Amino acid sequence: DAKTTQPTSMDCAEGRAANLPCNHSTISGNEYVYWYRQIHSQGPQYIIHGLKNNETNEMASLIITEDRKSSTLILPHATLRDTAVYYCIVRVGSYTGANSKLTFGKGITLSVRP
Amino acid sequence: DTGVSQNPRHKITKRGQNVTFRCDPISEHNRLYWYRQTLGQGPEFLTYFQNEAQLEKSRLLSDRFSAERPKGSFSTLEIQRTEQGDSAMYLCASRKPGPGDHEQFFGPGTRLTVL
Repeated sequence: DAKTTQPTSMDCAEGRAANLPCNHSTISGNEYVYWYRQIHSQGPQYIIHGLKNNETNEMASLIITEDRKSSTLILPHATLRDTAVYYCIVRVGSYTGANSKLTFGKGITLSVRP
Repeated sequence: DTGVSQNPRHKITKRGQNVTFRCDPISEHNRLYWYRQTLGQGPEFLTYFQNEAQLEKSRLLSDRFSAERPKGSFSTLEIQRTEQGDSAMYLCASRKPGPGDHEQFFGPGTRLTVL
């Protein structure tokens, strides 16, 4: 699986948009971009994933550049409950054997301030 | 609450003792994963089951570690002769069988402290 690079930390004000960047310059054509987050003392939580197109769900939006070498997770209106470690993961979209595990980096710590 | 449960939530043991953790995935999920997370790091993959078959084991999983999923439902992770380096959060995750189902659902984890 391709490696991802994320800043160590960032903060944003409550109510503002949080834009979390991720670089994945070695991504392959069949690899998806996944975002998970982990709130303190809890297990990771799936947020969103995408292949080529931008994606939006009730939690966030995922913007993937045209060359797919980087992406941005957008939390449109950050709340204090969004304070967490956010992991950007690249993985092939296969569902058996060696390709089904998630390879986490250290992630980016987002702190939402009041 | 994701529907994946893990027991116990916390375990303190002395070095050299054996410990066993249990994971109950969401009932219709046939894929089950174990991860380990140490302080300040992201979770690391340990092993993966599809139904009762253990399809992959990480090189992190030494001979002292064994995992089972006997009937394709719950899973256990046993650590024999625990060492202080085994202190970590052990996370279980499960996933639906369909090709369109990308999401892994994680349990709350079992925090192991080896004294």
